Amino acid sequence: EDQVTQSPEALRLQEGESSSLNCSYTVSGLRGLFWYRQDPGKGPEFLFTLYSAGEEKEKERLKATLTKKESFLHITAPKPEDSATYLCALQGGSEKLVFGKGTKLTVNP
Amino acid sequence: KAGVTQTPRYLIKTRGQQVTLSCSPISGHRSVSWYQQTPGQGLQFLFEYFSETQRNKGNFPGRFSGRQFSNSRSEMNVSTLELGDSALYLCASSLHAGQTQYFGPGTRLLVL
Repeated sequence: EDQVTQSPEALRLQEGESSSLNCSYTVSGLRGLFWYRQDPGKGPEFLFTLYSAGEEKEKERLKATLTKKESFLHITAPKPEDSATYLCALQGGSEKLVFGKGTKLTVNP
Repeated sequence: KAGVTQTPRYLIKTRGQQVTLSCSPISGHRSVSWYQQTPGQGLQFLFEYFSETQRNKGNFPGRFSGRQFSNSRSEMNVSTLELGDSALYLCASSLHAGQTQYFGPGTRLLVL
């Protein structure tokens, strides 16, 4: 069964303090690993799709990387507006999206 | 391009009633998936439709059903509502099945 575990559950950073969020997974036949950002009361907002180990994607202060067992979302010099819950999702051979429980990020000014 | 839209945005029902939620995908997208999000279980997959056919189904009881119309719009129905059905119901669309999904704002359902 495909599984996704995200850590930490919650993370508090000071503005400008870089850090990484982790997404560990087990899957038979990876088709894609997805990162989403979700603000309270809203639907998840798509950030990145990664397809194979070694792949990296960047957008503003965010960079996503992928290995055969985990993915990292690196946040460089975060700002308060980066505060949100970050969700990792896995798509295996069944093509169903399996989500982790998320990491709630708070960036203090 | 307009995003995924869901109606209604908020709904209050009582136990035993049934409810129908609606989703309009991004223009040109033919695949629609539905998810249930609760604080305890997180985001859980309900089902996926592509070209009016159910392609995939999650582990939910038969009280949860859906359909897709020829214009790709989708509805999901929950019959005999239970208190535990209170959740945020999210719809997501993609160009084709198995591709990157884009989410709508969700329908917040409260069952009393």
